[in-house]
Amino acid sequence: AQSVTQPDIHITVSEGASLELRCNYSYGATPYLFWYVQSPGQGLQLLLKYFSGDTLVQGIKGFEAEFKRSQSSFNLRKPSVHWSDAAEYFCAVGARSNTGKLIFGQGTTLQVKP
Amino acid sequence: DSGVTQTPKHLITATGQRVTLRCSPRSGDLSVYWYQQSLDQGLQFLIQYYNGEERAKGNILERFSAQQFPDLHSELNLSSLELGDSALYFCASSVDPGQNSPLHFGNGTRLTVT
Repeated sequence: AQSVTQPDIHITVSEGASLELRCNYSYGATPYLFWYVQSPGQGLQLLLKYFSGDTLVQGIKGFEAEFKRSQSSFNLRKPSVHWSDAAEYFCAVGARSNTGKLIFGQGTTLQVKP
Repeated sequence: DSGVTQTPKHLITATGQRVTLRCSPRSGDLSVYWYQQSLDQGLQFLIQYYNGEERAKGNILERFSAQQFPDLHSELNLSSLELGDSALYFCASSVDPGQNSPLHFGNGTRLTVT
């Protein structure tokens, strides 16, 4: 079955510390992978996406993610977290034929300590 | 601002009732997607329309229906409402379902069924 797992429901990091949010997927075909961020009361904003090519992708707000096919993972990283990064983060997988029909993970809530 | 407009922002109604959620996609976007976000199910794809035609269906209940009108706005109709239908309903749009067409999400309609 196709699924996305985000093992960490809640993560707390200090401002200025590095961040890694984990994402594992199960998908029959070559996946298209996405990370979205949701701030309170807002819709989802696309941080970055992976379709093919370089397995390290850069996104907005200083985020990057690395696709590791052997581990079925697409972890999100940021070298130095800012207080404004506090939000909920969703990993998602989609099909080549319809990249808008996404399967989302359960989300990871990021809290940033001053 | 994503350019996707959803109305109303909040909706409170009783069990057994019917409601209509409205979505205006970003200018130029032909594809509209509906997602449901609930505490127990997370973010789930419901249905997609492309240029007025249904393109894909997900975990949408038979009590729910949607359509996309000639001006490309979309409506999601929820009937015989149950307590479990309480959720945040997101609309998203894209130019087309292809890989170079990211989703833009609205801020959602929060439905509370009492």
